[in-house]
Amino acid sequence: DQQVKQNSPSLSVQEGRISILNCDYTNSMFDYFLWYKKYPAEGPTFLISISSIKDKNEDGRFTVFLNKSAKHLSLHIVPSQPGDSAVYFCAASGADGLTFGKGTHLIIQP
Amino acid sequence: NAGVTQTPKFRILKIGQSMTLQCTQDMNHNYMYWYRQDPGMGLKLIYYSVGAGITDKGEVPNGYNVSRSTTEDFPLRLELAAPSQTSVYFCASSRPRGPRNSGNTIYFGEGSWLTVV
Repeated sequence: DQQVKQNSPSLSVQEGRISILNCDYTNSMFDYFLWYKKYPAEGPTFLISISSIKDKNEDGRFTVFLNKSAKHLSLHIVPSQPGDSAVYFCAASGADGLTFGKGTHLIIQP
Repeated sequence: NAGVTQTPKFRILKIGQSMTLQCTQDMNHNYMYWYRQDPGMGLKLIYYSVGAGITDKGEVPNGYNVSRSTTEDFPLRLELAAPSQTSVYFCASSRPRGPRNSGNTIYFGEGSWLTVV
């Protein structure tokens, strides 16, 4: 039973436009949510996080929104750049550590 | 800035062989982890350690063993390699969870690609 779900395996966005990556979770005890970015043949790198007591966190071009009532979070990237092409993992932090989604492959088209 | 270093990067094993994936970190992190990532799947936790001398099973520990004799090192051992262990393995480390930490941010190594034939 997946506790963290990323229902879109891939997403294609035009350069300069907004990329929106979605993530749903089932465990209401998760207290932090994180996004990781992964390039091919490299390890995941931390991108941005949000505490469960907040509904928005912004860092440059990256903004994460949390809707606790819907158990949903999203990562917005604006404007999208070619270097943003990567796999993005949503992760939720709880008593058992981090639980990862399956990832969404973001492709930025010129 | 070494961070988390894991070796080897690539390895092909025959069924039944054994090997050890090495992992070391220079950030003085107490927590260390081993994950595996299968194609199209998320990261699954194999084993983790909250400090030297302490290890615990994760979600998918079968077929693996770990040890943590020092803060820096956390090797992962495959005793009898099976095709189901063909995967990409990531070692990671973090500080302990706490109110001042940003959600237990984990720092990953670059990965080890293992194929069992």
